[in-house]
Amino acid sequence: DAGVTQSPTHLIKTRGQQVTLRCSPKSGHDTVSWYQQALGQGPQFIFQYYEEEERQRGNFPDRFSGHQFPNYSSELNVNALLLGDSALYLCASSLGWGAVDEQYFGPGTRLTVT
Amino acid sequence: RKEVEQDPGPFNVPEGATVAFNCTYSNSASQSFFWYRQDCRKEPKLLMSVYSSGNEDGRFTAQLNRASQYISLLIRDSKLSDSATYLCVVRYSSASKIIFGSGTRLSIRP
Repeated sequence: DAGVTQSPTHLIKTRGQQVTLRCSPKSGHDTVSWYQQALGQGPQFIFQYYEEEERQRGNFPDRFSGHQFPNYSSELNVNALLLGDSALYLCASSLGWGAVDEQYFGPGTRLTVT
Repeated sequence: RKEVEQDPGPFNVPEGATVAFNCTYSNSASQSFFWYRQDCRKEPKLLMSVYSSGNEDGRFTAQLNRASQYISLLIRDSKLSDSATYLCVVRYSSASKIIFGSGTRLSIRP
């Protein structure tokens, strides 16, 4: 049973560039949430996708956008990268958009902006 | 004031010791509470949910104090493998986002 997978594992980008991160949910899950975790901090909720729509959003600017595909996989896009966007980006999947206690995290994508 | 606050630690305790740490939350309407564990450079994993009456899972005990708006995690007979960062998670309602604390680092020494 495949767990949550994310790609790429590491990424280095330059300020002003755009980046796309990918997530495949655990088998049987239909909801994907994205988090940003800066060094020494807890994960910060970016947004959640269910039925290909953004259902909830945290306090992140419009530079952060996403998409969910019919197979439940998801992408996180960040435009006009800033140095402060350097972080570990975590994807979590669940069955249904309220199941926090059944939420599984992927290994994350470590983004470095120089 | 942060919505969810934790003592960052690190807590450095000997193997076999009992250790406890708290997490405070600012929104009295918060409904759901959880503890997650995160190993170095790994993803967070759910450790346990926190129920109003308190709950225990082996060496781990979680408590909720609504009056004072904090949750606690107690680890008994600590093992070297308990070394990790423990993240407190709060949710206002089933339809709202979840909020992570910054985590408490725990280091168990032989």
